[in-house]
Amino acid sequence: KNEVEQSPQNLTAQEGEFITINCSYSVGISALHWLQQHPGGGIVSLFMLSSGKKKHGRLIATINIQEKHSSLHITASHPRDSAVYICAVTPFVFGKGTRLSVIA
Amino acid sequence: DGGITQSPKYLFRKEGQNVTLSCEQNLNHDAMYWYRQDPGQGLRLIYYSQIVNDFQKGDIAEGYSVSREKKESFPLTVTSAQKNPTAFYLCASSTGGIRDEKLFFGSGTQLSVL
Repeated sequence: KNEVEQSPQNLTAQEGEFITINCSYSVGISALHWLQQHPGGGIVSLFMLSSGKKKHGRLIATINIQEKHSSLHITASHPRDSAVYICAVTPFVFGKGTRLSVIA
Repeated sequence: DGGITQSPKYLFRKEGQNVTLSCEQNLNHDAMYWYRQDPGQGLRLIYYSQIVNDFQKGDIAEGYSVSREKKESFPLTVTSAQKNPTAFYLCASSTGGIRDEKLFFGSGTQLSVL
């Protein structure tokens, strides 16, 4: 069993929809990371969080340490949000990613 | 601009050949990492280094070797012992500790076997 599980694996949304990606983990952590991988392969770090909620633009990340669960939300989704979103207990354990496609 | 540079972007390996992937950073980061990404799989850690002249094996180190002679550079050699080397390889760095540190990634190298 993978130590970091993401759902859904694939997600297609219409432009403007509210999107939620979930991440559950089974290992003890001090921080959890959300990453974004674009079609060219490059990866950027979106959030690092150990409690509560963080917001950056249209992106919101939440974490519940007791339940070992985190969510990434995208409000007012846009085609440029299309990417693979990866949950990770960096630097060692990564989820398989959620492939998001936003259609105009 | 500061960042991480990986080269080449595409690399082809012949049977029995060793190949070296380059990773250079000018972020003054102490820690550097190499990951392998296969289709449909999460990133897996090959090797990491927290300081010059020191490195540790990750989960899938067999068939790979690294060196850390300079703070800026962390090259990865894929040896002939790695029987399934075709994958996308990513290098990353962070400021220091291996926990609670934001990761900065290179753009990756796609390695294929001829």
